[in-house]
Formats: sequence, C-alpha cells, structure tokens
Amino acid sequence: KNEVEQSPQNLTAQEEEFITINCSYSVGISALHWLQQHPGGGIVSLFMLSSGKKKHGRLIATINIQEKHSSLHITASHPRDSAVYICAVRSRTGNQFYFGTGTSLTVIP
Amino acid sequence: GAVVSQHPSRVICKSGTSVKIECRSLDFQATTMFWYRQFPKQSLMLMATSNEGSKATYEQGVEKDKFLINHASLTLSTLTVTSAHPEDSSFYICSVGGAYNEQFFGPGTRLTVL
Repeated sequence: KNEVEQSPQNLTAQEEEFITINCSYSVGISALHWLQQHPGGGIVSLFMLSSGKKKHGRLIATINIQEKHSSLHITASHPRDSAVYICAVRSRTGNQFYFGTGTSLTVIP
Repeated sequence: GAVVSQHPSRVICKSGTSVKIECRSLDFQATTMFWYRQFPKQSLMLMATSNEGSKATYEQGVEKDKFLINHASLTLSTLTVTSAHPEDSSFYICSVGGAYNEQFFGPGTRLTVL
C-alpha cells in the first residue's frame, strides 16, 4: 500500500471547469506539498501546507490533518493548467518524502 | 524561493560508462539536497538525501556504490551513476530543502543509456 494515494489518476476537463484533485496519506507528516510537473519534466512547487488552507491565484489547497487528507482545487481551469499534479508528504520523524503517483490533468479549450 | 539548476539537462551514454549529474543551488546555501528518480509514467522516488560535508543517506533499495553522491559545498551536490546500464535510464531530479520545509526543484536530467 502506498503511503500517499491520489485520485483521480487521470482527469480531462473543459476550460473554465472547477477541478478538484484529492490526496490521502497514511503517515504522520510535518508538511504536505502539491507539485506541478509539465510535459518537459520540470517540477514546480505549488503549495506547502501543514494546516488549513492556502490560495494562490486560481489555485487553492486545503488540508485536514485529522482526516489525513488534502485537496487541490483549480478554479476557472485553462489549457495551460494541463500538467501532472503530484502530492508529496514529508514525514514527521525525518527527511523521508513520500509521493503520490500523480494526477494527469488535461484541460480542453 | 531558491533557484536550482541541473547539468546536463540530457545525456546519452553507452552501457558501462559513468555519468555525473550536477545540482546547484544558485542563490541559497543548501545543507541538504535530495535526489529523485522518475521512470516514465511513474511518480518521483526519493533516492537519497545529500548532506553537505557528510555521507549521503540512501533510501532502501538504492545501491550507494552505484549511485555516488558528493555534496562538497553548500551550493553543489553531484550524483554519479557508475557503470550505467539501460535500466538506469530515467529522469533524475534534485531538490533543495528550504529553511521552512519548502522544496525547490531542479529542472531534471534525462539519462538514456544505450
């Protein structure tokens, strides 16, 4: 069983749709990261969360520590949002990172 | 945030040769850097944690004698894939840990072993 589970694996949306990607984890964490990986491979860190909610532009990330669950929302989606979104957690006990398998998002014009 | 570079961005080598990949933190002194590997259609896998001035900590299943890590300064860590084989072909990514648990990722190095 993976320490980090993401859903859905693949997602196709129409432009302007509201998108939600979910992440559940099973270990105690010090932080949860949402990452964006474009087809060329480069990775950008979107959010780092340890509690509550963060917003950056059209992106919103929430985390519920008690339920060990986080969501990434994209409002008014755009084709340039097409990418793989990866949830990663850093263990509370040390430098261990666990990664979800990613959600491949395609936004159609 | 920190700017992280990797060199080379792509490398093709013959089986049996060694390949060195550099990870540089351009504007941040990084006591800790992380090395990941990503196979096609899969997520990242942490290979090792590189600590400046000391030995790297390898994840279970990663051969330390095959993947040599040197973190000689606060701005440079190197990963050397020794005696590379086709199954080592992968996308190698480094990241730098920030002061507040942030992670800043390099652009990655795509290794192809023929």
